[in-house]
Amino acid sequence: DTEVTQTPKHLVMGMTNKKSLKCEQHMGHRAMYWYKQKAKKPPELMFVYSYEKLSINESVPSRFSPECPNSSLLNLHLHALQPEDSALYLCASSQDIPSGNYEQYFGPGTRLTVT
Amino acid sequence: AQTVTQSQPEMSVQEAETVTLSCTYDTSENNYYLFWYKQPPSRQMILVIRQEAYKQQNATENRFSVNFQKAAKSFSLKISDSQLGDTAMYFCAFMKPLTNNDMRFGAGTRLTVKP
Repeated sequence: DTEVTQTPKHLVMGMTNKKSLKCEQHMGHRAMYWYKQKAKKPPELMFVYSYEKLSINESVPSRFSPECPNSSLLNLHLHALQPEDSALYLCASSQDIPSGNYEQYFGPGTRLTVT
Repeated sequence: AQTVTQSQPEMSVQEAETVTLSCTYDTSENNYYLFWYKQPPSRQMILVIRQEAYKQQNATENRFSVNFQKAAKSFSLKISDSQLGDTAMYFCAFMKPLTNNDMRFGAGTRLTVKP
């Protein structure tokens, strides 16, 4: 199983809403990532978790709050977002960082629209 | 900081022909990884090919091959016998090992394969 799943596929939320994006993998990977991708642009790294611990936070605003409940799951909690946060949010995973296998597997993404 | 440059925003190729996408990068590191990722329209990103900088031999995966020129910091992707399903956005990416898998993408090249 080389699949990373993300739910929901689409999400529309108002600026006062609280919502969560979910990501799941069953490949035994110990590194998981959140990326933000605007239309016709490359993905931008937001967060990296390694062994369920946050190892990179790319100066992301606090209205985005990541959580890694276990090695298979990654959440992104959203609160008080702005319209410019509308984007495709991609989750990815890879084997544990020291292993030397750096290939990242991407999920299909959640397309978020903030109204 | 590492930068990745893809100088061709858009390219097109006739079905069954060969096309080469260019990528250059800037780094002072000696050991690193390079990747080409493919993102078809409204579909998820998948790894096309990877290259370890310490390997002199160019990587190949079926119809996909790279021309890795370490001294010139160039990493081009050649697609042979182009197929309609190759139509996608192609991203070149750079990763320095042991940095929490911080992967940096180029701006992307939109490839259209014409029948």
